[in-house]
Amino acid sequence: QKEVEQNSGPLSVPEGAIASLNCTYSDRGSQSFFWYRQYSGKSPELIMFIYSNGDKEDGRFTAQLNKASQYVSLLIRDSQPSDSATYLCAVEGGGFKTIFGAGTRLFVKA
Amino acid sequence: DVKVTQSSRYLVKRTGEKVFLECVQDMDHENMFWYRQDPGLGLRLIYFSYDVKMKEKGDIPEGYSVSREKKERFSLILESASTNQTSMYLCASSLQGTGYEQYFGPGTRLTVT
Repeated sequence: QKEVEQNSGPLSVPEGAIASLNCTYSDRGSQSFFWYRQYSGKSPELIMFIYSNGDKEDGRFTAQLNKASQYVSLLIRDSQPSDSATYLCAVEGGGFKTIFGAGTRLFVKA
Repeated sequence: DVKVTQSSRYLVKRTGEKVFLECVQDMDHENMFWYRQDPGLGLRLIYFSYDVKMKEKGDIPEGYSVSREKKERFSLILESASTNQTSMYLCASSLQGTGYEQYFGPGTRLTVT
């Protein structure tokens, strides 16, 4: 069965620091990778997607993809308390499916 | 803006009841999904649909069925609710094909007593 693994955390970082969230996946054929943010009591919302090896930057967020190592990460620069949430890594699973990791809880301390 | 709505935010049902959860999207998306989310287990796919009247089982379809009679509406049915179906249920939609982001509804917190 195709899997997406994340450290459940919690990951705690001070305000202004870089938060690094990591994810590994099992299906070498996956082509699309997503990071969703989920605030407590809310539904997931997309913050980044990446299709190609390397880095993709969007504001304070950088997604990194290494297909050879089957590894995708999300860096959040200048972390803010409002970034405190659970971050879900998601990987295209084929046949219209997306496989979600269980998520990493991030706490940004003011 | 994509909007996905779900019929209830909170629902309490008794064991053995038939439960209907409805989801409506307004962006003409072909794909629609039903997930349940439990602590430590993440999002697990129950069923999905890639077209009207088409449905595919996800990873945990047992005890559930679905209906998609119109493109914008996807219903999840618990034929005979059980306590182990107490969970957060999330509906999502996306464009057809693979590699597209999913847009989620607000979720329905179902408690079966």
